[in-house]
Amino acid sequence: QSVLTQPPSVSGAPGQRVTISCTGSSSNIGAGYDVHWYQHLPGTAPKLLIYGDSNRPAGVPDRFSGSKSGTSASLAVNGLQAEDEADYYCQSYDNSLSGYVFGTGTKVTVL
Amino acid sequence: EVQLLESGGGSVQPGGSLRLSCAASGFTFSRYAINWVRQAPGKGLEWVSAISASGGGTYYADSVKGRFTISRDNSKNTLSLQMNSLSAEDTAVYYCAKGRGGTYNWYFDLWGRGALVTVSS
Repeated sequence: QSVLTQPPSVSGAPGQRVTISCTGSSSNIGAGYDVHWYQHLPGTAPKLLIYGDSNRPAGVPDRFSGSKSGTSASLAVNGLQAEDEADYYCQSYDNSLSGYVFGTGTKVTVL
Repeated sequence: EVQLLESGGGSVQPGGSLRLSCAASGFTFSRYAINWVRQAPGKGLEWVSAISASGGGTYYADSVKGRFTISRDNSKNTLSLQMNSLSAEDTAVYYCAKGRGGTYNWYFDLWGRGALVTVSS
């Protein structure tokens, strides 16, 4: 089981805003390690959405934004679109495990 | 084209071994750490292993330590994962992923399409 906890699912109508939380602890997010976010469609390669807590790689729409506070991080998707329907994962480093960790994953459904 | 391409997946019996490969193209392979990440059926992503750009540093998740060995050949732009003593819990799609960022802050900005490993009798 992952040390980063995400809600199993979130949903929203097209155009709405949804947020996905990523809750960690003092050995990962709370220790100051960066949080990164990925979008994953089954059968395809995961795609980097946010790196270094809040930075977007080139080509990622500015509808996606990331933030971090204390032992948690969040991914916000503004102006939800049908193409955003996918699984989303946060990722960080954990110093008690001495390795990289992913969140439990959140399925986003566009109603 | 910038890409990573996994190969070597397949079916193996419990206790058996399998070797995965990852071929890189379109970027300077020797400058980047490369990782293996897996996804078991119906489960989330799990980081498995990493190797530094030079190959001098290797890192493993506790779940595979002592059974899996990561290696790279920078002259051939290839990465390998030797998997021994496989069990049903190792059944997953295995992705290779290029790492970027500072120490302990790696993120994965390029992923392959994955290779399916099935461990079953």
